[in-house]
Order: sequence, then C-alpha cells, then structure tokens
Amino acid sequence: DAGVIQSPRHEVTEMGQEVTLRCKPISGHNSLFWYRQTMMRGLELLIYFNNNVPIDDSGMPEDRFSAKMPNASFSTLKIQPSEPRDSAVYFCASRAAGSTDTQYFGPGTRLTVL
Amino acid sequence: AQRVTQPEKLLSVFKGAPVELKCNYSYSGSPELFWYVQYSRQRLQLLLRHISRESIKGFTADLNKGETSFHLKKPFAQEEDSAMYYCALSYTGGFKTIFGAGTRLFVKA
Repeated sequence: DAGVIQSPRHEVTEMGQEVTLRCKPISGHNSLFWYRQTMMRGLELLIYFNNNVPIDDSGMPEDRFSAKMPNASFSTLKIQPSEPRDSAVYFCASRAAGSTDTQYFGPGTRLTVL
Repeated sequence: AQRVTQPEKLLSVFKGAPVELKCNYSYSGSPELFWYVQYSRQRLQLLLRHISRESIKGFTADLNKGETSFHLKKPFAQEEDSAMYYCALSYTGGFKTIFGAGTRLFVKA
C-alpha cells in the first residue's frame, strides 16, 4: 500500500493563478482531512470529510479556498485566485472509522505563490 | 474553545539526556490525545496515543487530567529522535483533530 498519495509534490505559481491540489486516501478509509502547515501557525485543519461529505469547513481561510470529494478515492483542494500568503505545505490525511484510529498523512504539497 | 498548546518551539538536548516535550490542552470533555512525529524528509506519523498507554521508541506520555497535560518523555535521548513533534487532540466523536504548533527537538552528539 502506497499510503496517502498527494500530487503535485511541489507547485510554484504566480499570484492570481488557480491552484489545484490532489489527494488519494488509503483504500477503505472513510475520513479525509486537509491541513495547512506554516512556520507561523503550525498545522491547521482546513476541512474534513466523512464518507465523502464535508463535515466541517470552518478552518478554510477564505472563499478563495474550496475542497471537494467526488468519490471515496479522490479529493481536491482548490485555491482561486492564489496569493503569496497561501504559500505553505498542504497535507492530506485519511483515517478509518473510529475516533481513536490513527490519521495517515500524505507526503504533502509544497506550494509557493510568487 | 478547544486548544492544544506546545510552549516550546525548539528544544535542544544532548544525547543521553532526558527529554520532555510539553503539551497542554483545553477541552471540557474526555480528550483523546496523540503525539505525532515528523522526521526529516518523512511523512507526519503517529508516535503514540494516550488510550494505548504504550511506549514507542522509548517515548511515553501520560495524560494528567488535573493539569490538562500530555507531556512526552524519554529518559535518554538519541540523535535519531531529532524531529518535529506535534501534540494533537481529537474531539467531536473523533472527527475533528487539532494540533499544537509543534516542537522541534534537536539531539546533539
């Protein structure tokens, strides 16, 4: 099992451009999480899905951010338009059912907005 | 509001010395607490969770509800312990997890 897969691993874009980050959770996991990691704010939960349904998006910073999970094996996080302050590492994690189950993290996407 | 506080951004110790990474939480219910670790160039991964009461790689963490703490301890630090450590709290039936800001541990030779 390759674990949680994220693409791209690195993304450099110019301010104003649309950015789409992708995530494939571990097969059989029913919860999916998107996090943002920065030096200043640490690891922040942006949104999580349970059974493909967004449960809580209160961590999404602005309307420029949107996330979808069209099926159990794929999710996207989109930023439109992107701004330099969006530069961060974005992690996707998935988890099987149960509140004490471990979250498994992807390798992250390092986003740089110039 | 729920909160996880890791007061130290950076902790530097010598090899063989004891290490304690502090974590305090704020939550009115029964917490589910975890320590995650991110080694250089590796994914963030679970180190241990309080419900398991386990020792992983020599690390232990005890939940102290009176002090609302979940400090991570190891009696003798090793160089390979150098990493970023995050304390995390799960609530709302486990759906939501919040992480502390993280502590970077450097173990010097």
